[in-house]
Amino acid sequence: AQKITQTQPGMFVQEKEAVTLDCTYDTSDQSYGLFWYKQPSSGEMIFLIYQGSYDEQNATEGRYSLNFQKARKSANLVISASQLGDSAMYFCAMKGTHLGAGSYQLTFGKGTKLSVIP
Amino acid sequence: EAEVAQSPRYKITEKSQAVAFWCDPISGHATLYWYRQILGQGPELLVQFQDESVVDDSQLPKDRFSAERLKGVDSTLKIQPAELGDSAMYLCASSFSRDEQFFGPGTRLTVL
Repeated sequence: AQKITQTQPGMFVQEKEAVTLDCTYDTSDQSYGLFWYKQPSSGEMIFLIYQGSYDEQNATEGRYSLNFQKARKSANLVISASQLGDSAMYFCAMKGTHLGAGSYQLTFGKGTKLSVIP
Repeated sequence: EAEVAQSPRYKITEKSQAVAFWCDPISGHATLYWYRQILGQGPELLVQFQDESVVDDSQLPKDRFSAERLKGVDSTLKIQPAELGDSAMYLCASSFSRDEQFFGPGTRLTVL
């Protein structure tokens, strides 16, 4: 069984500062993928960044980067230069258990609520 | 930009009533997912379709929940009868292949 753990229920960061959101995972699969999604108060889940287990370099997407430490089973999200619009829930999720024909299961953590302070 | 559409956005119902949610995935996305997200939790998969076929419904409470995707495009999730514990956000997502899942805006259900 796969498990995602996000130990920070809530985080505060000053505007323009960087913040790290923690995510650890557990899986017996050799091939897996890790996602980060942002969920504003409106409810929609917005894809931010993806890291495959065999990717040699850490993923980056604009102000988002993923600090992937495979041996420690961690996939922390780093947001640089925080903006007020970054205030939202952030979910770490793992892709595994390929069910064939391009479909797969996605297991989510409980999320971290980020609040950006002006 | 293509989006996953869901309706209604909000639904308030009384327990023991029937409710239905609709989802239209991004055009060309063969895989469709229904998730339930209880307040303060991450989404949990209820059912997964590949075209019109159910791939996984192991977490779907089949005594009261049903889902269909008759023509392999849009999908309906039904709850009958609704219970107080069903109050949650119901999210629909779609994917093309092994890429990321794209989520709709969700339906927020309140059961009174």
